[in-house]
Amino acid sequence: EPEVTQTPSHQVTQMGQEVILRCVPISNHLYFYWYRQILGQKVEFLVSFYNNEISEKSEIFDDQFSVERPDGSNFTLKIRSTKLEDSAMYFCASSDSHVPPETQYFGPGTRLLVL
Amino acid sequence: DAKTTQPPSMDCAEGRAANLPCNHSTISGNEYVYWYRQIHSQGPQYIIHGLKNNETNEMASLIITEDRKSSTLILPHATLRDTAVYYCIVIGNKLTFGGGTRVLVKP
Repeated sequence: EPEVTQTPSHQVTQMGQEVILRCVPISNHLYFYWYRQILGQKVEFLVSFYNNEISEKSEIFDDQFSVERPDGSNFTLKIRSTKLEDSAMYFCASSDSHVPPETQYFGPGTRLLVL
Repeated sequence: DAKTTQPPSMDCAEGRAANLPCNHSTISGNEYVYWYRQIHSQGPQYIIHGLKNNETNEMASLIITEDRKSSTLILPHATLRDTAVYYCIVIGNKLTFGGGTRVLVKP
């Protein structure tokens, strides 16, 4: 069964450093998403992406964040200058539709720790 | 997106059916009810979705009331591996996760 994959599984970085989290969505999917979950808190939507453009973003997704689909398979989330409060699990998801019902399938996540 | 209300936690005996309720009284006519679960900080896992009719797949059954203001997810034979947080989400165009129901399946 096809699945969303994410790398790395864990990332430790120093405050102020740039990080890039990588995702390989399911191959025939066209809609991509990033979510994050701070330890012990809810899963929060960050951004949705389609046709090389951001479709929607939350207030969390400020200028420090960017997303890119650099090639036909990868979807990346970049945090330009990490802050302590960026420590969280980051989940990528993909779907084959943006019209309900659009089932989103999630990757296993990247655990980011900012020191 | 309509708001959902779920009990914060429930226990279930292994091998028994687990019935997870969800209220979504403000749901609109074209919004689907989705269920996801999250097993211990893993990525959320899709379970099932429905609009009006009851639905069943290999994981679970979804019963939606006629007025669509509430639904119940049924895990027919709960196993220890079903221990997770279960989220009921009424979807517009993005998933909004609430607190979910923390289900503990006990031997």
